Amino acid sequence: NAGVTQTPKFQVLKTGQSMTLQCAQDMNHEYMSWYRQDPGMGLRLIHYSVGAGITDQGEVPNGYNVSRSTTEDFPLRLLSAAPSQTSVYFCASSYSGQGGGRQPQHFGDGTRLSIL
Amino acid sequence: DAKTTQPPSMDCAEGRAANLPCNHSTISGNEYVYWYRQIHSQGPQYIIHGLKNNETNEMASLIITEDRKSSTLILPHATLRDTAVYYCIVIVWGGGSEKLVFGKGMKLTVNP
Repeated sequence: NAGVTQTPKFQVLKTGQSMTLQCAQDMNHEYMSWYRQDPGMGLRLIHYSVGAGITDQGEVPNGYNVSRSTTEDFPLRLLSAAPSQTSVYFCASSYSGQGGGRQPQHFGDGTRLSIL
Repeated sequence: DAKTTQPPSMDCAEGRAANLPCNHSTISGNEYVYWYRQIHSQGPQYIIHGLKNNETNEMASLIITEDRKSSTLILPHATLRDTAVYYCIVIVWGGGSEKLVFGKGMKLTVNP
């Protein structure tokens, strides 16, 4: 298993540009989520999904869109990038808690995004 | 979700046991205690979790007090590679929304 794969690893954008951060997992996990981590801070939840076709907002959803058309993929879209979105973005996945036991989340290696 | 409190940093000598404390005084009966760590700038790594009983795996041991208001993560023989930021998190499973709420964590530095 490759686990959770995030692409790209690094990206520089100009203010106002759009882009999609990719996240894929090959563990057949129902639950996937996106976090951002700013310098010296813990991770903050942006959006999450409990299964294909189902998404919901986390703590800091503004400026980001997500969709979940397949179990494997959970892309994060920045429609109009702003300097405040400069951060490291982590994707995670796990089995759902409903009937699936208390399974831990598996994280990708992150995408380092700079917006000028 | 209940909040957790950890000291900002701790040092430990290589080869010694590292005892990482966490307070979660407002934890509810159905909330689990999870520990993750983040080495340098990598993605967080799961270490261990528990509800009320002590737990042990190949990485660490988790000791939860009887009143569940605090816990201690024990790395029995710390190595330089254990230098990382450690996060203590409490979450409720079920309902399909397993949202981890990370604080600032605790920086553990293992010294040679």
